[in-house]
Amino acid sequence: DAGVIQSPRHEVTEMGQEVTLRCKPISGHNSLFWYRQTMMRGLELLIYFNNNVPIDDSGMPEDRFSAKMPNASFSTLKIQPSEPRDSAVYFCASSLSGTGGRELFFGEGSRLTVL
Amino acid sequence: AQKVTQAQTEISVVEKEDVTLDCVYETRDTTYYLFWYKQPPSGELVFLIRRNSFDEQNEISGRYSWNFQKSTSSFNFTITASQVVDSAVYFCALSEAMGSSNTGKLIFGQGTTLQVKP
Repeated sequence: DAGVIQSPRHEVTEMGQEVTLRCKPISGHNSLFWYRQTMMRGLELLIYFNNNVPIDDSGMPEDRFSAKMPNASFSTLKIQPSEPRDSAVYFCASSLSGTGGRELFFGEGSRLTVL
Repeated sequence: AQKVTQAQTEISVVEKEDVTLDCVYETRDTTYYLFWYKQPPSGELVFLIRRNSFDEQNEISGRYSWNFQKSTSSFNFTITASQVVDSAVYFCALSEAMGSSNTGKLIFGQGTTLQVKP
């Protein structure tokens, strides 16, 4: 079975440009998470969805960031306009929520560099 | 507030040595879940283990073992007879629970970089 698929794997862009990161969760999983990893802040949760509905976006840094999940098999994280401090690795993860606890399965990450 | 502390930033060992990675957590929840993930140099995050707060039984999986102690709020990870391929960053994480469910919101520690030298 395919794991979580993220694209692009690497993105280099200039300050002010719009960036769109994409994620395809594991088929059948109903929870999707966007995490960001930086040296300074480590791994931090940006937003998560249950059954395509955003549940908690308290980790989204500011209005420049937005995330959507139009259907169960696709999500986007958009940054507009991008800034150098947005440079990080962005991970998408999915899980099957419910009782008993579920581990998150992570994609390989999208490394973003904003010049 | 929930918090995970991995006090060891970097550990360096020689192959075949045993090594223990420490993890201390803070939570007010009575039901919670603890995880360990491995991040090899290639960058992906690989799930290693999940433990719920009601199961304090230690677990062994090959060369890996985990010691969960609620009394000290610790969930330590030991690699026996380490190998070069174990070199990676290891993250301990805590998940909040809603009832008996895992919300999936993982709070990660800062990670411990393990270097195993040949």
